[in-house]
Amino acid sequence: DGGITQSPKYLFRKEGQNVTLSCEQNLNHDAMYWYRQDPGQGLRLIYYSQIVNDFQKGDIAEGYSVSREKKESFPLTVTSAQKNPTAFYLCASNGQNSGNTIYFGEGSWLTVV
Amino acid sequence: DAKTTQPPSMDCAEGRAANLPCNHSTISGNEYVYWYRQIHSQGPQYIIHGLKNNETNEMASLIITEDRKSSTLILPHATLRDTAVYYCIVRVQNTGNQFYFGTGTSLTVIP
Repeated sequence: DGGITQSPKYLFRKEGQNVTLSCEQNLNHDAMYWYRQDPGQGLRLIYYSQIVNDFQKGDIAEGYSVSREKKESFPLTVTSAQKNPTAFYLCASNGQNSGNTIYFGEGSWLTVV
Repeated sequence: DAKTTQPPSMDCAEGRAANLPCNHSTISGNEYVYWYRQIHSQGPQYIIHGLKNNETNEMASLIITEDRKSSTLILPHATLRDTAVYYCIVRVQNTGNQFYFGTGTSLTVIP
């Protein structure tokens, strides 16, 4: 089935550790996005990538890093510099073959313990 | 991208139509109106989008006013599974442009 796969669904991290969230899509979409959602809040954009080997900071990029070495993959690393990393993380993608409508993965819960 | 304003919460009786309003008074001529919904702890789900004309699909109908400054998402026969947060977004239809999500409307369908 075509779609966006995020892993892991739940992740626990100790303070001071980096952690990488995986996002893979087989929709042949050019653009990919990472959002953060805190309880009861809307989505805030962390990073986005319009094409392979290129990405731009969103509104809350500090403490995060990304790479886009392959079209289908856009991993997000939450670094120790992110002061409040506990949140729900959502990956999304869109492309011309989807009418530029953005589609989301099922999300990853990150908890810092 | 233009901003949107939605009521924070609404209730709807099961089986009745749910009408969710959205104001986007600063919308530009090339910006589309998109609707998504998010069930707790899941990724947002695309519902419908439109530019000027009213749109209908298997999930919902989208009514856009003639001046395009507001729109209404209609769920014709709400079920308990429609309980979710509904987001109204306006954006230029272009790959790579950001989608800005506000806090949306929390719809509760009541048995």
